[in-house]
Amino acid sequence: ETGVTQSPTHLIKTRGQQVTLRCSSQSGHNTVSWYQQALGQGPQFIFQYYREEENGRGNFPPRFSGLQFPNYSSELNVNALELDDSALYLCASSPEGRGQETQYFGPGTRLLVL
Amino acid sequence: AQTVTQSQPEMSVQEAETVTLSCTYDTSESDYYLFWYKQPPSRQMILVIRQEAYKQQNATENRFSVNFQKAAKSFSLKISDSQLGDAAMYFCAYRRGTDKLIFGTGTRLQVFP
Repeated sequence: ETGVTQSPTHLIKTRGQQVTLRCSSQSGHNTVSWYQQALGQGPQFIFQYYREEENGRGNFPPRFSGLQFPNYSSELNVNALELDDSALYLCASSPEGRGQETQYFGPGTRLLVL
Repeated sequence: AQTVTQSQPEMSVQEAETVTLSCTYDTSESDYYLFWYKQPPSRQMILVIRQEAYKQQNATENRFSVNFQKAAKSFSLKISDSQLGDAAMYFCAYRRGTDKLIFGTGTRLQVFP
């Protein structure tokens, strides 16, 4: 059974650019959530997808958007990048039914915006 | 709104000793879950232990155990027989059902030989 994977591991962009981060859920998991973790902070919830539909969103502007695909992999897209978007982006997946309350995290993507 | 507070930014412990990390939370809900996650320098958030609020019995996972006090809204993590590999950031987190995880600000644990 493979765990949650994310790509790329590191990324450098300039202000105003757009970025796409990718996540593959753990096998058998149909719910995926994205979190932003600024340096020295706890992760903050961006949004969650369940069976390809967004079913929860945190306090992030619309330029943060996402997708979930039929194989339950997911993308996080950020448009018009700002310096404050520099952070570690974490993806987490959880199963349906038994154990659905527990989220399992990927290794994260470190984004630096210059 | 639910909040999670970790009042110890840093803690240290000697190898083989026991350390307790504190966490308090605020919620008006009666049914929820609490978690401790470990984040080593490699950045991956690793689940350490989970507690269901409706269970009075404290969860244990090998050297890790919790002291869950529902009325006091307290959820501390005890690490026994500390090992060098336990050094990491530890985050306390709250979740109601399948809603978002709400994290505390973390406690950095140092382990000295």
